[in-house]
Amino acid sequence: QQQVKQSPQSLIVQKGGISIINCAYENTAFDYFPWYQQFPGKGPALLIAIRPDVSEKKEGRFTISFNKSAKQFSLHIMDSQPGDSATYFCAATYNNAGNMLTFGGGTRLMVKP
Amino acid sequence: DAMVIQNPRYQVTQFGKPVTLSCSQTLNHNVMYWYQQKSSQAPKLLFHYYDKDFNNEADTPDNFQSRRPNTSFCFLDIRSPGLGDAAMYLCATSRTGTGFNSPLHFGNGTRLTVT
Repeated sequence: QQQVKQSPQSLIVQKGGISIINCAYENTAFDYFPWYQQFPGKGPALLIAIRPDVSEKKEGRFTISFNKSAKQFSLHIMDSQPGDSATYFCAATYNNAGNMLTFGGGTRLMVKP
Repeated sequence: DAMVIQNPRYQVTQFGKPVTLSCSQTLNHNVMYWYQQKSSQAPKLLFHYYDKDFNNEADTPDNFQSRRPNTSFCFLDIRSPGLGDAAMYLCATSRTGTGFNSPLHFGNGTRLTVT
């Protein structure tokens, strides 16, 4: 019930293309879904987050699409750039003090020039 | 800039030799976390402090301990490191729990090597 399943494990995209990373969850009590971006040798950094009362959130080239009935959410990176090459983690939690993030397994994205 | 600072960035220790990793924060956040991250894996929560209240994850080995002497600092002590403890150790903070109004802020980690 606490799992968040992320796919694919790795992704190669050409510069300018669209990168799509998918996550699925079981626990319907989750109400906060952040995405973290991690570059090699660095800690994860919050990229974008969504709550289940909206179906889409866009920040620049990054968009989260959320499908509450399917219990799925995805990250879309438009016009992917080599600088976007990193590992991306989806996560989920309850928006409540004391509750911890459940991370997906991560997706290693490589954007080829 | 307010941030989460981890020292050292790289730590080499011998098998069985105690080691301490440190974390400091200037965000004045109530919660501090320690995560272990092995290669190509997601961060795994070891424990966290909500203010002075210590919360251990059920599967965190007894070999791992933590101290939080004040709001700003938190330490991870590995009493007898084994080869399997080689990993990146990430410190993180949040204002309250993890949620929309209280996201996690990570430090850049300490990479621990056990020889």
